[in-house]
Amino acid sequence: EVRLVESGGGLIKPGGSLRLSCVASGFTFNNAWMNWVRQAPGKGLEWVGRIKSKTGGGTTDYAAPVKGRFTISRDDSRNTVYLQMNSLRTEDTAMYYCTTDYSVVGFDLWGQGTLVTVSS
Amino acid sequence: SYVLTQPPSVSVAPGQTARIPCGGNNIGTNSVHWYQQKPGQAPVLLIYYNSDRPSGIPERFSGSNSGNTATLTISRVEAGDEADYYCQVWDSTSDHWVFGGGTKVTVL
Repeated sequence: EVRLVESGGGLIKPGGSLRLSCVASGFTFNNAWMNWVRQAPGKGLEWVGRIKSKTGGGTTDYAAPVKGRFTISRDDSRNTVYLQMNSLRTEDTAMYYCTTDYSVVGFDLWGQGTLVTVSS
Repeated sequence: SYVLTQPPSVSVAPGQTARIPCGGNNIGTNSVHWYQQKPGQAPVLLIYYNSDRPSGIPERFSGSNSGNTATLTISRVEAGDEADYYCQVWDSTSDHWVFGGGTKVTVL
């Protein structure tokens, strides 16, 4: 079965750090360009960032609100992409999804999401 | 950065046609993707490359893109189409994906 499964969310105090994981299965992860998208409670979708495949250069891009605080990395041996979140703020509270263009252009494969709550 | 503008809500009677606009500067030169999201669920890709449907998406969903507006059209609307809909483009200037603010479709 083709799927993405996120984990690592939870309650964290402002200024703290958290690492999210997303494990892929059922497809060739090595070739996938992986993205993180978040959704604050009651709000719309916000792209967080992406990491290209190693053959695509392996580089990362980030949205302005998280650049310098968040880092995306990947471990192809574990079929896993990570989102390291530092200096967390209350406005980072959201459901975090990993997603990729599995069979067509556009994000056609999504995980179920993991909830991050930043609160004192 | 590139901005996509969607109306917050659209209401439509069952069996009628819903049209959801997504405005952006010269968006007609971009490829637009559309997503449907129901409460408590992850988004689902409805339309890619302006008008193509992934496998399993009903033909009632269609898309177009020209000038400064892309449009998602839902024909013969059903109660199950109640959801939030988002447009998306790749902004090559900033190397960022951009989502519209989303449109809530209510079936009357």
